Amino acid sequence: KAGVTQTPRYLIKTRGQQVTLSCSPISGHRSVSWYQQTPGQGLQFLFEYFSETQRNKGNFPGRFSGRQFSNSRSEMNVSTLELGDSALYLCASSHGTISGNTIYFGEGSWLTVV
Amino acid sequence: QQQVKQSPQSLIVQKGGISIINCAYENTAFDYFPWYQQFPGKGPALLIAIRPDVSEKKEGRFTISFNKSAKQFSLHIMDSQPGDSATYFCAASMDFGNEKLTFGTGTRLTIIP
Repeated sequence: KAGVTQTPRYLIKTRGQQVTLSCSPISGHRSVSWYQQTPGQGLQFLFEYFSETQRNKGNFPGRFSGRQFSNSRSEMNVSTLELGDSALYLCASSHGTISGNTIYFGEGSWLTVV
Repeated sequence: QQQVKQSPQSLIVQKGGISIINCAYENTAFDYFPWYQQFPGKGPALLIAIRPDVSEKKEGRFTISFNKSAKQFSLHIMDSQPGDSATYFCAASMDFGNEKLTFGTGTRLTIIP
């Protein structure tokens, strides 16, 4: 069974640009969440999508957005990139319908903003 | 209100010893407490999880102890091995179908021979 797949794994962008990251969840999982991981702030929840609808949202500015497609694949977008957006962006998937069900993480997309 | 506090920040344990990592939470609405293990260059992987109706859960060498009244929970790694060297995160979430995990700040564990 394939795990959570994230693309691209590494990317470098310039301040002011925008970036789109992609996530393919584990087959059968309908919930996809995104997290930002930095040395200073740790792991922070961005948002969660379930059946193409945003179900939960963290405390990030509107420059961070996402969407989920009918096949449960998800993308997140960051517009007007800032140096502080440099981070590991993790996608996680789960069934999303059972309380406390296992949340599986991908290996992440390393974003460097220069 | 949503914070999960984790300590210590780093920990060095001799091979065969017991590694103990502690977490405390504030929000009593949390009802699911997982621990994740992360190796460099990898995403976090679920190690073990507990619900507040249980005071202890053991899976192999890993045990979670949970103290609901103190709002604290801890991870014990028995017979620690060099392969256990990784960063460990405690987390908490609440409500049915709520996939939002609030993470602790992480503990870098190093097991020395």
